[in-house]
Amino acid sequence: AQKVTQAQTEISVVEKEDVTLDCVYETRDTTYYLFWYKQPPSGELVFLIRRNSFDEQNEISGRYSWNFQKSTSSFNFTITASQVVDSAVYFCALSAPAGANNLFFGTGTRLTVIP
Amino acid sequence: DTAVSQTPKYLVTQMGNDKSIKCEQNLGHDTMYWYKQDSKKFLKIMFSYNNKELIINETVPNRFSPKSPDKAHLNLHINSLELGDSAVYFCASTLSQGNTEAFFGQGTRLTVV
Repeated sequence: AQKVTQAQTEISVVEKEDVTLDCVYETRDTTYYLFWYKQPPSGELVFLIRRNSFDEQNEISGRYSWNFQKSTSSFNFTITASQVVDSAVYFCALSAPAGANNLFFGTGTRLTVIP
Repeated sequence: DTAVSQTPKYLVTQMGNDKSIKCEQNLGHDTMYWYKQDSKKFLKIMFSYNNKELIINETVPNRFSPKSPDKAHLNLHINSLELGDSAVYFCASTLSQGNTEAFFGQGTRLTVV
């Protein structure tokens, strides 16, 4: 069975602080994909990143970075120098096995950045 | 241009009514989905269609019936609405089946009173 756990329900940080959102996944499939989505207060879901199970390289995109570690089944998301516009609910998701037609979402982490 | 568009954005209706939510994507994608987000923000897939054919039908009551007239459209019809159907419903599309980036609509907030 596929499962995604985001243990942090809510996080509050002061603007310009760094923050890491945790994601732990479970799957018996050897090939799978991991995703992060952002849901701002306006409600839409915005794609942030997709990572396949064969690629453990960390990725950086501006203030965003992702740390994928298969050994711990984790795909953590770090925002550096957080801004008020980063306030949103962030979802980690898993698609497995390769070729699957489904996204299993975590329960989300609500991030509040305080000015 | 909106890639995945849903209408309406808000829907308030009484128990027992029948309602439809429409979804259209202009991305040329083959695969479309309906997801339900409950009051606790939990997102779960309901249906998946690939080239107008049903691929995934999760444990969803028969009152929910998706219809895909063509691969750019996936509408959701709900019969005999119940209070527990209140949620935000998201339409999404992917280029093809399997593991690709999903583009989501802006969601339809359904409130059953």
